[in-house]
Amino acid sequence: AQSVTQLGSHVSVSEGALVLLRCNYSSSVPPYLFWYVQYPNQGLQLLLKYTTGATLVKGINGFEAEFKKSETSFHLTKPSAHMSDAAEYFCAVSDPLGNTGKLIFGQGTTLQVKP
Amino acid sequence: EPEVTQTPSHQVTQMGQEVILRCVPISNHLYFYWYRQILGQKVEFLVSFYNNEISEKSEIFDDQFSVERPDGSNFTLKIRSTKLEDSAMYFCASSELVLGADTQYFGPGTRLTVL
Repeated sequence: AQSVTQLGSHVSVSEGALVLLRCNYSSSVPPYLFWYVQYPNQGLQLLLKYTTGATLVKGINGFEAEFKKSETSFHLTKPSAHMSDAAEYFCAVSDPLGNTGKLIFGQGTTLQVKP
Repeated sequence: EPEVTQTPSHQVTQMGQEVILRCVPISNHLYFYWYRQILGQKVEFLVSFYNNEISEKSEIFDDQFSVERPDGSNFTLKIRSTKLEDSAMYFCASSELVLGADTQYFGPGTRLTVL
């Protein structure tokens, strides 16, 4: 069975600092990997995803993530945090062999950006 | 940009009552999903739906739950007899394809409160 672990339910950074949100997965086969962001009172919005190919994936709003198979990780980074990045971030996986599209989510990480 | 919409944004009901949560997926999407998030917990998969049939359902999705696409635009989740533990945020999502790599687009959610 697949699972996702996000280390740190709350992360606080200063504006302009590096953002690092951690995600590790457990899966019998390398899964497809996703990062979603949720702003207050809004739905989940896709930031980026890894399916195949280049392991460094660039997404919207300056975020990127690197798939590391040896570490079963897909950490999300952004070089310089903006106040507008404050939100909840979810890592998710899906089974590349499945045919139902089910996403399995991590617990979420709330990112706080301090001025 | 097309988006998934959900109504109502907040529903309050008494235990034992039936509720219907409504979703309008993106118009050219063929695959539909419901997820829920109990306060402070993970986003959990409930069900996926394609071609008027359930593709996959989780163990949460018991006989009290049902889904329907009553017309060409709406996708509904019905809970027949609500329990206190059904209180959660319910998210609808849709995707153009069912491949695990395809992006699911989420609605803003319906907050269900069972008293």
